[in-house]
Amino acid sequence: AQTVTQSQPEMSVQEAETVTLSCTYDTSENNYYLFWYKQPPSRQMILVIRQEAYKQQNATENRFSVNFQKAAKSFSLKISDSQLGDTAMYFCAYTGSARQLTFGSGTQLTVLP
Amino acid sequence: NAGVTQTPKFRVLKTGQSMTLLCAQDMNHEYMYWYRQDPGMGLRLIHYSVGEGTTAKGEVPDGYNVSRLKKQNFLLGLESAAPSQTSVYFCASSYQRGGYNEQFFGPGTRLTVL
Repeated sequence: AQTVTQSQPEMSVQEAETVTLSCTYDTSENNYYLFWYKQPPSRQMILVIRQEAYKQQNATENRFSVNFQKAAKSFSLKISDSQLGDTAMYFCAYTGSARQLTFGSGTQLTVLP
Repeated sequence: NAGVTQTPKFRVLKTGQSMTLLCAQDMNHEYMYWYRQDPGMGLRLIHYSVGEGTTAKGEVPDGYNVSRLKKQNFLLGLESAAPSQTSVYFCASSYQRGGYNEQFFGPGTRLTVL
């Protein structure tokens, strides 16, 4: 079974600074997808960014980018120019051949003014 | 286009009571899912459906039943609620599109079992 591990329960960053959230996963599959979801206090789950395992290029969405290390099974999220609205719980997630999402336990990010 | 909606948003039950959570999507998605979210944990899959009339067990199915009688609706039932089922429940839906499986989530239902 696949597992997703987020080892940082809480993190904080100053507004306008850069922060990196860590995620590791375990799988025996070669083709899969990885995601970062954001959950603000409203509880709504919002897809931030996705990465396809067969693509070597790291995904980027505006201020959000990932560092995907397939051999190390590592998938970190970098948030640049942090904004107060980035304060949220961030979940790393995996989906493979079973087409089911497996989530990590989350990292609570607080952006400080 | 409302996306994924869930009814109700909040509910308090006594131990042993039953209830049904309703999930509806208007995106014509084939796949639908029910998750629960507990403090300090990510979302865990309860049951899912790959099409109208079909359901399958996820990671934590015990104590729950589901039905998908219509493509746009996915119901989650608790026949005899227990305090361990106090949680936030999320519904999600997705297309069946190759290996890519972006799921769209509802706003969640907070359930408390006393």
